[in-house]
Amino acid sequence: SAVISQKPSRDICQRGTSLTIQCQVDSQVTMMFWYRQQPGQSLTLIATANQGSEATYESGFVIDKFPISRPNLTFSTLTVSNMSPEDSSIYLCSVLAGVDEQFFGPGTRLTVL
Amino acid sequence: EDQVTQSPEALRLQEGESSSLNCSYTVSGLRGLFWYRQDPGKGPEFLFTLYSAGEEKEKERLKATLTKKESFLHITAPKPEDSATYLCAVQVSGTYKYIFGTGTRLKVLA
Repeated sequence: SAVISQKPSRDICQRGTSLTIQCQVDSQVTMMFWYRQQPGQSLTLIATANQGSEATYESGFVIDKFPISRPNLTFSTLTVSNMSPEDSSIYLCSVLAGVDEQFFGPGTRLTVL
Repeated sequence: EDQVTQSPEALRLQEGESSSLNCSYTVSGLRGLFWYRQDPGKGPEFLFTLYSAGEEKEKERLKATLTKKESFLHITAPKPEDSATYLCAVQVSGTYKYIFGTGTRLKVLA
């Protein structure tokens, strides 16, 4: 398993602004993932972030809106840009730690006014 | 289209009343099926991985089983601390992509 922390744990932001979410892991991992969990809905994969390469985005998510950095094997950031109320959600990072198992951070609860 | 459906959406049980949660899936190719527990305000906590039909995994009061089209999470003699949302996810073959269901909200009453 892996111990994952996220900052901030929650935030309230104004529309049109941007927020950067940090994800820190206690061990080196190759693959990290960013998910969104909207109220009453399932987790949806935003992108996969591997160290040393560009993030791979899922259909419906674009780099201009959700830029991701992965500077080393223990850290990643997700920025939610030009926010609107529809971006209000819980954002989760996860890591591949095991054969196929993903382990999740505690999440960042974002509210956009 | 790859899809995961969980039922029921919500379940209320008396302490000690055993039951099962269902996860049915349609996927082009299944690498693995995963069960997670999620408490309010927290990230999902890994419970089980299942790879092939007929496989079973157990942990305390929980047992997960897998067939070719669905998985069950059996809860035996549940306690109030088992109250949580239980999530099912499938991993598509050849990728690391997880597709999640919407979860079952379980409430166990003392």
